[in-house]
Amino acid sequence: QQQVKQSPQSLIVQKGGISIINCAYENTAFDYFPWYQQFPGKGPALLIAIRPDVSEKKEGRFTISFNKSAKQFSLHIMDSQPGDSATYFCAAPRSNSGYALNFGKGTSLLVTP
Amino acid sequence: DGGITQSPKYLFRKEGQNVTLSCEQNLNHDAMYWYRQDPGQGLRLIYYSQIVNDFQKGDIAEGYSVSREKKESFPLTVTSAQKNPTAFYLCAGKQGSNTGELFFGEGSRLTVL
Repeated sequence: QQQVKQSPQSLIVQKGGISIINCAYENTAFDYFPWYQQFPGKGPALLIAIRPDVSEKKEGRFTISFNKSAKQFSLHIMDSQPGDSATYFCAAPRSNSGYALNFGKGTSLLVTP
Repeated sequence: DGGITQSPKYLFRKEGQNVTLSCEQNLNHDAMYWYRQDPGQGLRLIYYSQIVNDFQKGDIAEGYSVSREKKESFPLTVTSAQKNPTAFYLCAGKQGSNTGELFFGEGSRLTVL
């Protein structure tokens, strides 16, 4: 099954700084690339997603940058806050799997005060 | 309140016992999914179902079984054949017949003693 490679595995950022998480995917039949946020003991929740008729999507402090030719997309968190401390997963659609998603292995983000 | 409801939240099982995890939804989702989450491994697809009375294996279906007798319910049975069942199990649902947001439940943590 197609791989989704996410980096870094963990990230420590000071409050007010920029957090950047990267993701690379293999061939996919569908153009839909989401980022999920997960707090300890909870299920993941959609944070932001892009359908790449555009190369960038911004929602508040969160931005997805997409590079279709490189098969890469990234999440930027501007003005990072301690409340952003969580695990982040990128994902890409699977082929022939009922529109299920393949997930990266996750990035544990800690924003220090 | 509504959404994807998983139960129980915590479950302990002795080796050799089957256990069933419940997943109920009231969002009229057509498709439902079961993922397994292990530390540092991301989310891996166990089974998915696009319509009632039909389901398909994901990447790690061995030792698991599911049923989809009604649209609202998609229970997962972890059988004694699953060699390493201790994990966090996540159920998700999705509306429509194309790519889009997966809505996750809060998860069930299974520990085998």
